[in-house]
Amino acid sequence: GAVVSQHPSRVICKSGTSVKIECRSLDFQATTMFWYRQFPKQSLMLMATSNEGSKATYEQGVEKDKFLINHASLTLSTLTVTSAHPEDSSFYICSARLAGGPGPQETQYFGPGTRLLVL
Amino acid sequence: GQNIDQPTEMTATEGAIVQINCTYQTSGFNGLFWYQQHAGEAPTFLSYNVLDGLEEKGRFSSFLSRSKGYSYLLLKELQMKDSASYLCALMDSNYQLIWGAGTKLIIKP
Repeated sequence: GAVVSQHPSRVICKSGTSVKIECRSLDFQATTMFWYRQFPKQSLMLMATSNEGSKATYEQGVEKDKFLINHASLTLSTLTVTSAHPEDSSFYICSARLAGGPGPQETQYFGPGTRLLVL
Repeated sequence: GQNIDQPTEMTATEGAIVQINCTYQTSGFNGLFWYQQHAGEAPTFLSYNVLDGLEEKGRFSSFLSRSKGYSYLLLKELQMKDSASYLCALMDSNYQLIWGAGTKLIIKP
């Protein structure tokens, strides 16, 4: 159980275009999803926390108008990189967790990631 | 504030045992996670500790000492496929994960 899918797995786009990445929890309902970015040989950087039916909470330094997050259902969150530039090229990873208190229920399960290359 | 520290890189031999340490400082604590991440892939969940002691799961075990702010991941009978980065992550009082920088483990034949 606890499978998270992400689509697309890889995308190449021209500078100035927008790219949408989908994150789906396949066998559980996720009230909270997270979006991370990871540059080569660096650790995960949390971009935002997405709660179903409410606005996402962005980490400091992350532009909410550039990285649009929509969590319209309990199984789907989307990240749209608007007006992408070469410096946005990175590995974008989503994760999802179940609702509930402390314990294994708080485990984050990760999607396979999306590699974005902006030319 | 919160701080997590783990070694940047470790090398071990196939068939051997390796221990990856993680030390942390935090004002609020709701558990500690270990994840494995192969190059170019997303992290996968390995273990979760919230109480002191050792949790064993096959070849992998994880230990926690809350009073010392210390955890380790123990890998036995190392296999080449265990070459990966191992991420220590602390869950704070708001149930947010604070990630360590990861330890790159290199397994040699």
